[in-house]
Amino acid sequence: NAGVTQTPKFQVLKTGQSMTLQCAQDMNHEYMSWYRQDPGMGLRLIHYSVGAGITDQGEVPNGYNVSRSTTEDFPLRLLSAAPSQTSVYFCASSYDRKVNSPLHFGNGTRLTVT
Amino acid sequence: AQTVTQSQPEMSVQEAETVTLSCTYDTSENNYYLFWYKQPPSRQMILVIRQEAYKQQNATENRFSVNFQKAAKSFSLKISDSQLGDTAMYFCAFMKHVGGATNKLIFGTGTLLAVQP
Repeated sequence: NAGVTQTPKFQVLKTGQSMTLQCAQDMNHEYMSWYRQDPGMGLRLIHYSVGAGITDQGEVPNGYNVSRSTTEDFPLRLLSAAPSQTSVYFCASSYDRKVNSPLHFGNGTRLTVT
Repeated sequence: AQTVTQSQPEMSVQEAETVTLSCTYDTSENNYYLFWYKQPPSRQMILVIRQEAYKQQNATENRFSVNFQKAAKSFSLKISDSQLGDTAMYFCAFMKHVGGATNKLIFGTGTLLAVQP
């Protein structure tokens, strides 16, 4: 199994550009989420989804959009990138949203906005 | 709001020795879960151990164990017989129990552990 796959691994954007970070899982997981990791701040939840067609905001949703049209994919969109969005982004999934379902993380995408 | 604090930005330990990483948290919840995640240089986030707040017994996983002090809101991780492969960033994380309806984690800022040969 590939697990949770994130693409790209690295990306450099200019301020105002848009892009989509891809996340796919092949474990038939219901729950998927996006976190960002910044130095000195740990990981913070951006958006999450408890199933296809259902998304909700996390702790730091501003500047990001998500959709969940299929169980497998949960893309994160930056409509107009800002330097404050320079970060490492992690996608994570679990079988369902219950606490005893461990989260599986992707390997992260390092994004730099200049 | 819940917060998680890791007061040790960096730690070092000799191979085969024991090291303890500290974590404190603040919450008004009574039912919650605590986790330790490991992030090696590969950037992969790996679950090390978890603890349910309603359980008094401390969780253990092979060389990893926790000291959970609910009244003090403390959740430290002990790594015994440290190995070079334990070198990583370690994150403490909190999740409140909301009828099992969410899987949202609140992370601390991490402790970078270096195991020296």
